[in-house]
Amino acid sequence: GAVVSQHPSWVICKSGTSVKIECRSLDFQATTMFWYRQFPKQSLMLMATSNEGSKATYEQGVEKDKFLINHASLTLSTLTVTSAHPEDSSFYICSARLAGVLGNYEQYFGPGTRLTVT
Amino acid sequence: KNEVEQSPQNLTAQEGEFITINCSYSVGISALHWLQQHPGGGIVSLFMLSSGKKKHGRLIATINIQEKHSSLHITASHPRDSAVYICAVRAQGGSEKLVFGKGTKLTVNP
Repeated sequence: GAVVSQHPSWVICKSGTSVKIECRSLDFQATTMFWYRQFPKQSLMLMATSNEGSKATYEQGVEKDKFLINHASLTLSTLTVTSAHPEDSSFYICSARLAGVLGNYEQYFGPGTRLTVT
Repeated sequence: KNEVEQSPQNLTAQEGEFITINCSYSVGISALHWLQQHPGGGIVSLFMLSSGKKKHGRLIATINIQEKHSSLHITASHPRDSAVYICAVRAQGGSEKLVFGKGTKLTVNP
């Protein structure tokens, strides 16, 4: 299947600093990428939907000025957590969508990035 | 009530056993995904279904659109199958969002 990579796989940062997470589709072009976060023992929660070349659509309750998303190309989307706080510590997962036959979209997930804010 | 319900929540099996995980949903869907999440956190897409049945190695996924139900089967289970299995659906009507079940934690003992 198609491969989605994330970098870094884990990061520790100090409170108040910013962290950038990259998501790449390695062998296909993804017009749409999704960003999720997952707290321990909970399911994935969609943060935002990102379409190449346009502004991301954020879910209710997700601060767009805090979680900056850039989808500059068909193979790269970035999530920047600005002015990170300990409560932003979480597992961040990106997913890229590949358009399939008859409008059924295959969606592939990255391995995730574990962010710890101290 | 969650739109996507999985059962069981937790499942422990002995190596070699046949395993079934169930997923029921309450909305009309355009596609259903089965995902696997290992303890390290990374997610692997196992199947995407809109009808019928798919097989990949020891994994089989089926879906019954009329009954709004899908099953994931694992034949000849192995300890390396231990993971959380997540069902996710995409609702009809052009929605881009996936709605996730809470997952089934599978432990296969040697």
